[in-house]
Amino acid sequence: AQSVTQLGSHVSVSEGALVLLRCNYSSSVPPYLFWYVQYPNQGLQLLLKYTTGATLVKGINGFEAEFKKSETSFHLTKPSAHMSDAAEYFCAVSSANTGNQFYFGTGTSLTVIP
Amino acid sequence: EAGVTQFPSHSVIEKGQTVTLRCDPISGHDNLYWYRRVMGKEIKFLLHFVKESKQDESGMPNNRFLAERTGGTYSTLKVQPAELEDSGVYFCASSHETGVVPGNTIYFGEGSWLTVV
Repeated sequence: AQSVTQLGSHVSVSEGALVLLRCNYSSSVPPYLFWYVQYPNQGLQLLLKYTTGATLVKGINGFEAEFKKSETSFHLTKPSAHMSDAAEYFCAVSSANTGNQFYFGTGTSLTVIP
Repeated sequence: EAGVTQFPSHSVIEKGQTVTLRCDPISGHDNLYWYRRVMGKEIKFLLHFVKESKQDESGMPNNRFLAERTGGTYSTLKVQPAELEDSGVYFCASSHETGVVPGNTIYFGEGSWLTVV
């Protein structure tokens, strides 16, 4: 079975501050990990993904995430928050066993304070 | 290139009525998925089509939900009769490849917001 836990349903940061959104997963097989973002009135957009290879993954808009197997984590970070980063962020896990079925977390709403 | 489009974007219906949601995947994408997010909870898988065939419908909550993809193009998701607990956002997604492989991306639509009153 696979699952995702996102700690903090709401996160607020000041503009220019570090963004850290936490994601822990549970998977009995090697996971594929994803971060999606949903801006207001838009669909889910892929930020980045980890399937194999380098554990530090860089995505769009300056975001990156690091796969840490020992901690079963895939936290999302950005060095400096921008007002346009305000959105809801979803972590998801899949695997070769589950194929196309993604297991999502409950989402984290990011507020950026000017 | 047009993305995944969903219609309607918002729908408010009374308990017991029927609603049909439509999804147009990205052109050429054989794989089409439906997901649902009930308010405040995680986004959950409903089912997966490969062309017109249902590959996996393990996430469909009950027989009030019927998904079709005639001709392997657009898909519809019908809820009949709708219940209060069906309220939420229904996401459609599509991909070219089958399976989670490096380089394959699943593209999501904007979602159809359903409110049952």
